[in-house]
Amino acid sequence: GAVVSQHPSRVICKSGTSVKIECRSLDFQATTMFWYRQFPKQSLMLMATSNEGSKATYEQGVEKDKFLINHASLTLSTLTVTSAHPEDSSFYICSAREGRYYGYTFGSGTRLTVV
Amino acid sequence: DQQVKQNSPSLSVQEGRISILNCDYTNSMFDYFLWYKKYPAEGPTFLISISSIKDKNEDGRFTVFLNKSAKHLSLHIVPSQPGDSAVYFCAATPPNRDDKIIFGKGTRLHILP
Repeated sequence: GAVVSQHPSRVICKSGTSVKIECRSLDFQATTMFWYRQFPKQSLMLMATSNEGSKATYEQGVEKDKFLINHASLTLSTLTVTSAHPEDSSFYICSAREGRYYGYTFGSGTRLTVV
Repeated sequence: DQQVKQNSPSLSVQEGRISILNCDYTNSMFDYFLWYKKYPAEGPTFLISISSIKDKNEDGRFTVFLNKSAKHLSLHIVPSQPGDSAVYFCAATPPNRDDKIIFGKGTRLHILP
């Protein structure tokens, strides 16, 4: 089945620095990937839709300049959290899909802790 | 305003019995529903889905029922096994935005020995 690889799985960074998270579709091409954020005991919230070769589409309330998304190829999307602050600490998950009704495949997530 | 609601934050079920996880939604235009299973510190894994044109979909031990008039769906797991202990997310896709999944808050299922 479809596999989405996400790394790092865990990262601790200092406040004010930037962190890059990678999401790769391993055995299929994904023209669209999605980035989610999950707070403790909360649902997964869609942050943005990453489109290969074009600008990402951000959900309302998500800062574009803070969460930079790049989808340079059909198998790779990256999320960069710029000038990270402690409130950015969260669990970030990417996903991709092969077909409309195949079901979305998620990466294993990245636990970001900003100190 | 939550469009997909899972009102039970947690559920405990004896091993071997049936687990029933419930989900309600508010938008009658949702056309596709999904259930995901999530272990701690991992990404969700797709479990089962159902199109709005159906009222039941079965896959092994997992069955999803959809009641459109009540805007309610449920996931049945039978028999429940220890490995089923996880958080289960109900999700829906809105019409004309099949790139967006709207998730409920999840229900933590504990399978008791």
